[in-house]
Amino acid sequence: AQSVTQLDSQVPVFEEAPVELRCNYSSSVSVYLFWYVQYPNQGLQLLLKYLSGSTLVKGINGFEAEFNKSQTSFHLRKPSVHISDTAEYFCAVSEIQGAQKLVFGQGTRLTINP
Amino acid sequence: ETGVTQSPTHLIKTRGQQVTLRCSSQSGHNTVSWYQQALGQGPQFIFQYYREEENGRGNFPPRFSGLQFPNYSSELNVNALELDDSALYLCASSPELNTEAFFGQGTRLTVV
Repeated sequence: AQSVTQLDSQVPVFEEAPVELRCNYSSSVSVYLFWYVQYPNQGLQLLLKYLSGSTLVKGINGFEAEFNKSQTSFHLRKPSVHISDTAEYFCAVSEIQGAQKLVFGQGTRLTINP
Repeated sequence: ETGVTQSPTHLIKTRGQQVTLRCSSQSGHNTVSWYQQALGQGPQFIFQYYREEENGRGNFPPRFSGLQFPNYSSELNVNALELDDSALYLCASSPELNTEAFFGQGTRLTVV
């Protein structure tokens, strides 16, 4: 079984400041890793994913994440945030084999202050 | 190309009733998964359908059931509704197994 821990439930930052949202996972098998964003009253939108290859993954809206296998982490970063980045962010994993069952963390609420 | 659409967007049901939620998968997608997202929580996997067959189920009781049709649209049925079933229900479709999942806007179910 897999589990995902998002280490911060809320992260407030000022506009144009850098941000890092932390994610650790646990799994006995190889997994794919994802970050999703959820705006108020909306579904989930994929920001980026790690399937294989380079451990630094670039996604949409200027976000990037780095897969660290030894630390079982997949932290999300953005060098300069905007008001429009205010949303809930979810880290998720799925087994490489079998049904694509996404296991999500509890989410991190990112609040951008002007 | 239309995305994943879910209906209805909101509904209110009484405890003990039954509800059916619907999902139209994105064109060309044969895999549909359903998730339950309680307030302030991450989504939880309910089950997945691949080419009209159930292909994996999460830790949900049998009163949660589903169906996938030949056009790959899907339904989620919940019987004997409980207050704790109040949540946002998300549908996601994929072109094949283990490919990127595209989520719909969700159905907000309130059980009173």
